[in-house]
Amino acid sequence: EVQLEESGGGLVQPGGSLRLSCAASGFTFNSYWMHWVRQAPGKGLEWVSRINVDESNTIYADSVKGRFTISRDNAKNTLYLQMNNLRAEDTAVYYCSRDSSGFYQFIDYWGQGTLVTVSS
Amino acid sequence: DIQMTQSPSSLSASIGDRVTITCRASRTINSYLNWYQQRPGKAPKLLIYVASSLQSGVSSRFTGSGSGADFTLTISNLQPEDFATYYCQQSYFAPFTFGQGTKLEI
Repeated sequence: EVQLEESGGGLVQPGGSLRLSCAASGFTFNSYWMHWVRQAPGKGLEWVSRINVDESNTIYADSVKGRFTISRDNAKNTLYLQMNNLRAEDTAVYYCSRDSSGFYQFIDYWGQGTLVTVSS
Repeated sequence: DIQMTQSPSSLSASIGDRVTITCRASRTINSYLNWYQQRPGKAPKLLIYVASSLQSGVSSRFTGSGSGADFTLTISNLQPEDFATYYCQQSYFAPFTFGQGTKLEI
């Protein structure tokens, strides 16, 4: 069974930093591309970032480019999102998700999310 | 960026009804269109991928269709567990944008 468990969320002041982690299990982590998607309170889904299997290809939404960094540790089956210079508008539930990683790529599994609140 | 527009934004229906949700892309995305269901307080769940392929374990009451820029999600014989918010997402070109969501209410 595919399982994705996020951690690291919490309350942080504007301008601060936070690192989210996502522990993956139930599949061969180093064979799958991975994503982060977020959802502000009461709002819709916003795609944030994607990483390929060996970290050689990463892409970001314009809203986080230059502030967020996606990475992974295949030995630990863990995905990360380093978030710097946080803003109030970054307040959201952050979901770790798996890419199908086949010919057609799409998000096929999601974690339960971790809440990040940016406030003074 | 590719903009995804869903309609309607909200929809009221009854148990046993059939409903259709529409998703339009701002440019052609071939068949790179996926549908997700999100129940309150829960993570999204994949229903349909590549416009019309049913994800394993998902009820056959869910049907996706379309190609190019116009897509639909049809839910037949509505059941209580279907009342949720539905999102389309294009996976053709980054950023992989979502529609604004359609809230299906009783």
